[in-house]
Amino acid sequence: GENVEQHPSTLSVQEGDSAVIKCTYSDSASNYFPWYKQELGKGPQLIIDIRSNVGEKKDQRIAVTLNKTAKHFSLHITETQPEDSAVYFCAASPFYNQGGKLIFGQGTELSVKP
Amino acid sequence: DAGVIQSPRHEVTEMGQEVTLRCKPISGHNSLFWYRQTMMRGLELLIYFNNNVPIDDSGMPEDRFSAKMPNASFSTLKIQPSEPRDSAVYFCASSRRQGGITDTQYFGPGTRLTVL
Repeated sequence: GENVEQHPSTLSVQEGDSAVIKCTYSDSASNYFPWYKQELGKGPQLIIDIRSNVGEKKDQRIAVTLNKTAKHFSLHITETQPEDSAVYFCAASPFYNQGGKLIFGQGTELSVKP
Repeated sequence: DAGVIQSPRHEVTEMGQEVTLRCKPISGHNSLFWYRQTMMRGLELLIYFNNNVPIDDSGMPEDRFSAKMPNASFSTLKIQPSEPRDSAVYFCASSRRQGGITDTQYFGPGTRLTVL
């Protein structure tokens, strides 16, 4: 089955710097890769996603890149702000499944210091 | 839209008691997922439904856990009997899946379960 590895587990940056979180997946049939942000005491919220027919996607300060050959994808946050501090999860979805099952990475705790 | 609704938000119970967690998915969504989150194991998928039918329950840890989806707008996750190691935050998520295309999963606020 699919396996998703996420690194680093913790990341501390200064406000204004960039943050990069990387994930690798094992199932080459995966075709959907969302990123979720989880704030303390809340459920994960989707912040950006990418499908396997696209190599890069941007939304303001957030971007995701996908390398299907290497089976890895990354989240890039530019001009970080204290409110970006949260736990971030990557996920992958294998194509041949019945219900849209997501396999999550282990999470990255991002801390943005003012 | 109200989003995914979960109840209760917090549950404290004693070992051996039955616990029932409830979820109302977003209207129009046809897939529903139950997750468990702990520090040690992260986010684990327990079971998911598509069009009210359980598709994969391989993540359900033991026979003590059961889940039902009697209709498109309601699902329950039951633990009977509960044990201290079941203490975790349980999330419900829903999405719309059409023609093999996976759509965004939207998570509820979670139920924090503490078993004493």
